[in-house]
Amino acid sequence: GENVEQHPSTLSVQEGDSAVIKCTYSDSASNYFPWYKQELGKRPQLIIDIRSNVGEKKDQRIAVTLNKTAKHFSLHITETQPEDSAVYFCAANNYGQNFVFGPGTRLSVLP
Amino acid sequence: NAGVMQNPRHLVRRRGQEARLRCSPMKGHSHVYWYRQLPEEGLKFMVYLQKENIIDESGMPKERFSAEFPKEGPSILRIQQVVRGDSAAYFCASSPMGQQAEAFFGQGTRLTVV
Repeated sequence: GENVEQHPSTLSVQEGDSAVIKCTYSDSASNYFPWYKQELGKRPQLIIDIRSNVGEKKDQRIAVTLNKTAKHFSLHITETQPEDSAVYFCAANNYGQNFVFGPGTRLSVLP
Repeated sequence: NAGVMQNPRHLVRRRGQEARLRCSPMKGHSHVYWYRQLPEEGLKFMVYLQKENIIDESGMPKERFSAEFPKEGPSILRIQQVVRGDSAAYFCASSPMGQQAEAFFGQGTRLTVV
């Protein structure tokens, strides 16, 4: 079955700096890769996703890149703000199968 | 279009009682996934259902746990004879039919076993 690894487990950046979180997956059949942000005590919220036919996608300060050959994908947050502080989860999915999540990255944006 | 609805939000059960967690997917969504989350930990897959079918229950303990998603009504995650170790947040997510579809989470049910 699919296995998703995520690094780093914790990340501290200064406000205004960039943050990068990396994930690798094992199943080459996976073709959909969402990212979720979870604030303390709240539900995971979808912030951006990428499909296997695309190499990069951007939405304002957030971007995701996908390297299918190497089976890894990354989340990039630019100009970080204190409200970006949360736990971020990556996931991999293939149609008809469950979403497999990485273990999460706790991002702290320091003022 | 209301989001994924879970109830109750908080549930307290004594050891040995039954817990029933409900999940109403978003309108038009026919796929439901249940995940369990312990404090400070990740999302552990439990079960994936479509209407009237269990697609994958590989993450669900064989004893005491069961799930269903009937033709009408919400998906139910049922935990019989709860133990303290069942205390966790249980999230469900739903997605529409179709390839590469987004999944959206409900608010979760926080189960406390006393």
